[in-house]
Amino acid sequence: AQTVTQSQPEMSVQEAETVTLSCTYDTSESDYYLFWYKQPPSRQMILVIRQEAYKQQNATENRFSVNFQKAAKSFSLKISDSQLGDAAMYFCAYKDNDMRFGAGTRLTVKP
Amino acid sequence: DTGVSQNPRHKITKRGQNVTFRCDPISEHNRLYWYRQTLGQGPEFLTYFQNEAQLEKSRLLSDRFSAERPKGSFSTLEIQRTEQGDSAMYLCASSFGGRLTGELFFGEGSRLTVL
Repeated sequence: AQTVTQSQPEMSVQEAETVTLSCTYDTSESDYYLFWYKQPPSRQMILVIRQEAYKQQNATENRFSVNFQKAAKSFSLKISDSQLGDAAMYFCAYKDNDMRFGAGTRLTVKP
Repeated sequence: DTGVSQNPRHKITKRGQNVTFRCDPISEHNRLYWYRQTLGQGPEFLTYFQNEAQLEKSRLLSDRFSAERPKGSFSTLEIQRTEQGDSAMYLCASSFGGRLTGELFFGEGSRLTVL
């Protein structure tokens, strides 16, 4: 079964600074999707960014970008110009048939 | 598009009782997923449907758990003879497409507390 590992239970960043959240995964598949989801306290999961495994170019969505290293099975999320509203749990997810999540990283943004 | 809707949002029950949760996916979505999430943890996959067919079930889904999606529309997740360890947030998500397509759109979850 596919597994997703987030090795940073908690991270902290100063407002306006940059932070990188790490994620590794294990799979024998060649075609799959990777996602980062954000879950604010007591609120629903929302998509931050997605990456198709067949694409070499790293995905970017405004202040959010990924570093996708397929051979290393690594998928990190970089948040630039961090804002107070970025504070949340961030989950890395792998999808082929179904979607599997990591344990999450709690991001704190300091004013 | 009203998003994924889950009911009830909160359920408190006594150990041994049965509970049922309902999920209404986004109308054109053919895939529907159930997850369980405990505090501070990531969602754990339970099961998913493509239309009305239940295609995969996690080993976490013991024989006390059953999920249905009649007519490929809404879905129900029933937990029989609840145990305190069943206390969690139960998340429903839906997507459109096949195996390698589609982000999942999540509902707000149904929180279960078993006393």
